Amino acid sequence: DTGVSQNPRHKITKRGQNVTFRCDPISEHNRLYWYRQTLGQGPEFLTYFQNEAQLEKSRLLSDRFSAERPKGSFSTLEIQRTEQGDSAMYLCASSKSGLAGGPEDEQFFGPGTRLTVL
Amino acid sequence: DAKTTQPNSMESNEEEPVHLPCNHSTISGTDYIHWYRQLPSQGPEYVIHGLTSNVNNRMASLAIAEDRKSSTLILHRATLRDAAVYYCILRDQDSGAGSYQLTFGKGTKLSVIP
Repeated sequence: DTGVSQNPRHKITKRGQNVTFRCDPISEHNRLYWYRQTLGQGPEFLTYFQNEAQLEKSRLLSDRFSAERPKGSFSTLEIQRTEQGDSAMYLCASSKSGLAGGPEDEQFFGPGTRLTVL
Repeated sequence: DAKTTQPNSMESNEEEPVHLPCNHSTISGTDYIHWYRQLPSQGPEYVIHGLTSNVNNRMASLAIAEDRKSSTLILHRATLRDAAVYYCILRDQDSGAGSYQLTFGKGTKLSVIP
């Protein structure tokens, strides 16, 4: 396994279009996270899955955003009716189950999908 | 999660040790101190974490103050590949299901001078 992969790496779209990103986590990892990062800022948490269950969503995840992890493996993040403010790097991470702060508490990040909304 | 304070930027000469500070004066007893770094055009990567005692791994060392209100990430010999943004993050083990997210600040941008 070569780590977390994300596709596409870059996406340019026009305002109002829908886009979908895919994340393939490390195979034995139960937890999957989505973050968003804008220029000069640290990543911001969007949502988190434990297996196929979406357990937490940030206030940043407006109604236009939806994430799924249908079989507890890969995940998709869809943005409907994109806006220019959605332009950002979308990062996916995965981790094993375990206590926060424990020895297995390490998140592995993918390279991200850079979205540009024109 | 409690907040952390880091310098915006630091410089180091290649092959010199680097000490990256982090203040977390409101840290609670169940907060772990994590460090991640983000190289240019890449996702963040885990560096190290600890609770009370100093920690060492192949990448770095983490020195934690006795009162736990500050910590220092130590890179023993900086290389050009260590140029990155370094994030100090507190993780509460006891905050339930929402504790698994990472809350990033702006981090410290480390420049390494050849």
